[in-house]
Amino acid sequence: EAQVTQNPRYLITVTGKKLTVTCSQNMNHEYMSWYRQDPGLGLRQIYYSMNVEVTDKGDVPEGYKVSRKEKRNFPLILESPSPNQTSLYFCASSPLRRDKNTEAFFGQGTRLTVV
Amino acid sequence: AQSVTQPDIHITVSEGASLELRCNYSYGATPYLFWYVQSPGQGLQLLLKYFSGDTLVQGIKGFEAEFKRSQSSFNLRKPSVHWSDAAEYFCAVGLSGYALNFGKGTSLLVTP
Repeated sequence: EAQVTQNPRYLITVTGKKLTVTCSQNMNHEYMSWYRQDPGLGLRQIYYSMNVEVTDKGDVPEGYKVSRKEKRNFPLILESPSPNQTSLYFCASSPLRRDKNTEAFFGQGTRLTVV
Repeated sequence: AQSVTQPDIHITVSEGASLELRCNYSYGATPYLFWYVQSPGQGLQLLLKYFSGDTLVQGIKGFEAEFKRSQSSFNLRKPSVHWSDAAEYFCAVGLSGYALNFGKGTSLLVTP
């Protein structure tokens, strides 16, 4: 089954304790991205990657890091989490082409609470 | 600047009534347009999308949307709402199918 898998689904952590949220896709997609969802703000893009070893900042990259060492994986790293990073996070993947069959596939989300 | 606007933060409709959720965009060119739904505690599910051609697009779960170039709008409609349609709805636009800008969402409440 084609899917984007995020782990963990829920995470409570303390300020300053480094954490990683994993994202994996099995569709051989080139493009992957991370979004955060906050009430009243919709989804905002944190980082994206157009292929292995190619990453770039989205709209709200501060406080986050990513890596793309393999095509299928795109982990989100919070080196020193702060309470304002409490949010719902989504990973998405898509083929890198512009045609009617292109769409983004989303993971189930990771609800992160930083206390 | 590129932007996506969903003017209604919350909408309440009675079960069986019709529904229209609004989406307006500002882009330099005609973008690709999408509607996603997020049920409580769930991820995002694609309802429908528009790339080109027929401006009335049919999606899943009985939803449809109409692209109006002159109004820069892509409104989502459903003729008869079911209680299970209660969810948050997001309009998304982009110059491709993968790099998307999302609206802030519209929360739909369905009353008996």
